[in-house]
Amino acid sequence: DAKTTQPPSMDCAEGRAANLPCNHSTISGNEYVYWYRQIHSQGPQYIIHGLKNNETNEMASLIITEDRKSSTLILPHATLRDTAVYYCIVSPGGDTNKLIFGTGTLLAVQP
Amino acid sequence: GAVVSQHPSRVICKSGTSVKIECRSLDFQATTMFWYRQFPKQSLMLMATSNEGSKATYEQGVEKDKFLINHASLTLSTLTVTSAHPEDSSFYICSARDSSATEQFFGPGTRLTVL
Repeated sequence: DAKTTQPPSMDCAEGRAANLPCNHSTISGNEYVYWYRQIHSQGPQYIIHGLKNNETNEMASLIITEDRKSSTLILPHATLRDTAVYYCIVSPGGDTNKLIFGTGTLLAVQP
Repeated sequence: GAVVSQHPSRVICKSGTSVKIECRSLDFQATTMFWYRQFPKQSLMLMATSNEGSKATYEQGVEKDKFLINHASLTLSTLTVTSAHPEDSSFYICSARDSSATEQFFGPGTRLTVL
C-alpha cells in the first residue's frame, strides 16, 4: 500500500473551514484515497473517499489533485465536535481492502 | 448508515484467562471483517483479516494461536485473546466491509485491561 504524509497537528477556529492536507506521491492507479477520523477513545468514523474526481458528502469535501499525488479534506464549518485525529489512507478497493493507518493529523478546533 | 457493534465495550480480566470479543454488522452483511489493536497515543495497527467461512489472515508479527479469530456468519466475527497477559491490555477495534461497498465501518472498540 502507498504511504501517506500528513502534518501531525493543525488548529482551526470554530465556524471556519478546516483544510487538512495529505501527500500520497506513490499512489497506484487502482488505489482509493480514504479519510477517517477518530475521536478520543472511540472507533474510527468513515468520512469520505475518492479515486480521481473530487467528492462531497454531508460531512466533508475531498479534493484530489489531477496527478493524484495529494489531496485535501475540507470540513466547511468546523465545530468543537470535529476535534479528532484525521487519517488519510490509500488502499485498493475490493476484497483486499486493508486499511493501514499512519499517524494522522490531530485537528484541534478552537472556540 | 452502516452500523458495527462490539461487545463488550470494556473488560477487565486476570492474567492467564481468555477473553472473547464480538464484532457484529447490524444492518449489512460483511464477507470481510478486520481486527485492529491500538495502544495509548499510538495509531491503529491491523492484526488480521477475517473472511466468512475461511481462516483468518494474520499480519506479520501477530500470533495466530494467541489471537483466535472466528468469522462464523456474515454478521459476526469474534476475537479471542487466549492466556491474556498485561501486555495484551489495549483497545481492540473491529471493522466490517459491505461486499457491495469499498469503505469499511468501524465498531466502537473494546478496552481490554489484563491485571
